[in-house]
Amino acid sequence: DAKTTQPNSMESNEEEPVHLPCNHSTISGTDYIHWYRQLPSQGPEYVIHGLTSNVNNRMASLAIAEDRKSSTLILHRATLRDAAVYYCILLSNSGYALNFGKGTSLLVTP
Amino acid sequence: DVKVTQSSRYLVKRTGEKVFLECVQDMDHENMFWYRQDPGLGLRLIYFSYDVKMKEKGDIPEGYSVSREKKERFSLILESASTNQTSMYLCASRDPGQGYEQYFGPGTRLTVT
Repeated sequence: DAKTTQPNSMESNEEEPVHLPCNHSTISGTDYIHWYRQLPSQGPEYVIHGLTSNVNNRMASLAIAEDRKSSTLILHRATLRDAAVYYCILLSNSGYALNFGKGTSLLVTP
Repeated sequence: DVKVTQSSRYLVKRTGEKVFLECVQDMDHENMFWYRQDPGLGLRLIYFSYDVKMKEKGDIPEGYSVSREKKERFSLILESASTNQTSMYLCASRDPGQGYEQYFGPGTRLTVT
């Protein structure tokens, strides 16, 4: 399976934008890039996913590099509720097993 | 909103006991999953059910079995609990016709002593 690499932790001030990077240099052509997050003491929560084009939804934006070897999850205005571990995962079109690695622990300070 | 519920948030069992973890979803999803999450090992798939009475082994099925008699309910069974099954267990569901998003329950933290 293609692997992803994320920083262990990041810090942001409340109400500022946050850019969470993910490297996936061995991504295959059929792999979708998914992001989930996990708040403390809760189950994971879907954030966004994409294939080639940038994607936006009510939670976040996903910017995908032209060569697809990296992507960035963008939280436009961080809130305290966004403090969580963010996981970047690759899944093929027919895949379903989510294999989270260590993810990025995001700290949001007031 | 989709709701996935798990029977217990915390559970303590003794080695050798039979353990049942129940998961119920209220959105008529076809697919259901059982994962375990451990520090340093991330999230790993135990079993997957793509429909009622259908199941597939995930990455770590040893020591576990599952049951899906009704669409909304997916049970994970530890036939004889062992200390290395102490973990956080997470259930998820998905509607494959509506995309890739998996909806997770709050998790059951199981301790086997």
